[in-house]
Amino acid sequence: DTAVSQTPKYLVTQMGNDKSIKCEQNLGHDTMYWYKQDSKKFLKIMFSYNNKELIINETVPNRFSPKSPDKAHLNLHINSLELGDSAVYFCASSQDETGPRGYTFGSGTRLTVV
Amino acid sequence: EDQVTQSPEALRLQEGESSSLNCSYTVSGLRGLFWYRQDPGKGPEFLFTLYSAGEEKEKERLKATLTKKESFLHITAPKPEDSATYLCAVDSGAGSYQLTFGKGTKLSVIP
Repeated sequence: DTAVSQTPKYLVTQMGNDKSIKCEQNLGHDTMYWYKQDSKKFLKIMFSYNNKELIINETVPNRFSPKSPDKAHLNLHINSLELGDSAVYFCASSQDETGPRGYTFGSGTRLTVV
Repeated sequence: EDQVTQSPEALRLQEGESSSLNCSYTVSGLRGLFWYRQDPGKGPEFLFTLYSAGEEKEKERLKATLTKKESFLHITAPKPEDSATYLCAVDSGAGSYQLTFGKGTKLSVIP
């Protein structure tokens, strides 16, 4: 029974296209996140959502937009894809304020823009 | 701005050869320091949380320790299945977790 699931696992698309990555968690956590892991394996936060409110938004291009239909889902929409968007995108969730276990991560979506 | 620096970037050990990974951090106020393990093609998997200097946590061949400026992940008598990238992260934010990650140490254990 997967705790944090992302789809698709692999995504290959052409420059200029619009794509979405879906994420769902069944842990009952309050907060969900999107992280980007670049070719150097460095994990950087992009967004987080707590009770449907965006609470972190780092310097991410406007082409990226998170959408949360409910507490268990946080989808990532990307418009006008660029070559530099190629990376692995991880969804994660956490129990807000409490929980010594930090995040629970999904298995990642490898996005390749050609 | 929170900073996390991990060293070495890569480490090759013979099976049974003990060693330590280092994570040095700069934060305004540490709420927690986390260690994760990441296998190729997978998301990071939680290992430990440390909250205050002097604290230690153990799990099988791994032991994590914390000082005011750094954390160590000690690996005793490693096995090939311990090969992975080990990530350190700190949380210093108010409200929800806001983890800042280091770049990781890629550990290879040779049989």
